[in-house]
Amino acid sequence: AQSVTQLDSQVPVFEEAPVELRCNYSSSVSVYLFWYVQYPNQGLQLLLKYLSGSTLVKGINGFEAEFNKSQTSFHLRKPSVHISDTAEYFCAVSVDTGFQKLVFGTGTRLLVSP
Amino acid sequence: DAGVTQSPTHLIKTRGQQVTLRCSPISGHKSVSWYQQVLGQGPQFIFQYYEKEERGRGNFPDRFSARQFPNYSSELNVNALLLGDSALYLCASSPKWTDEDGRLYGYTFGSGTRLTVV
Repeated sequence: AQSVTQLDSQVPVFEEAPVELRCNYSSSVSVYLFWYVQYPNQGLQLLLKYLSGSTLVKGINGFEAEFNKSQTSFHLRKPSVHISDTAEYFCAVSVDTGFQKLVFGTGTRLLVSP
Repeated sequence: DAGVTQSPTHLIKTRGQQVTLRCSPISGHKSVSWYQQVLGQGPQFIFQYYEKEERGRGNFPDRFSARQFPNYSSELNVNALLLGDSALYLCASSPKWTDEDGRLYGYTFGSGTRLTVV
């Protein structure tokens, strides 16, 4: 079975500082990886996805993530955060088991302060 | 284009009652999935429907059921509500399972229905 571990439940950071949100996954087969962001009282918005190809994936709002197969990681990074980036971030894995199913981590709350 | 729309946005029900949540996928999307997000946790997979057939089911009791209509919209039904069913219920749609190269599509999520059971 697949699982996702988000190592930090909360990451405080100052505005304009860089940030990394960590995500590790476990799976015995090839996976597809996603990062979603959830603003308060809203649904999930796709930031970026890794399906195949280049291991460095660029997403929306200046975010990027690097797929590392040997370390089974898919960490999310942004070189300079804004107050508006304050939100919950979810890493998810999907395996083609005949149907699409996303397995989510427990989320990391990014708190950006001035 | 309109995104994934869910109705109602908020709902309060009493224990033991039944509830129906509705989802309209993005135009042209034939796959709809339902997720439950309990406060403070990540979403949990409930169902996936494709072309009106159930393709996958998560670890949820039989009180949970769903269906997909010819226009690809979907309903999630929960019977005999428990306090623990209080959650944000998210609907997600995608065009189909894979693109022409066999790669999985990602999902587009709606804003959810906040269900409170009292």
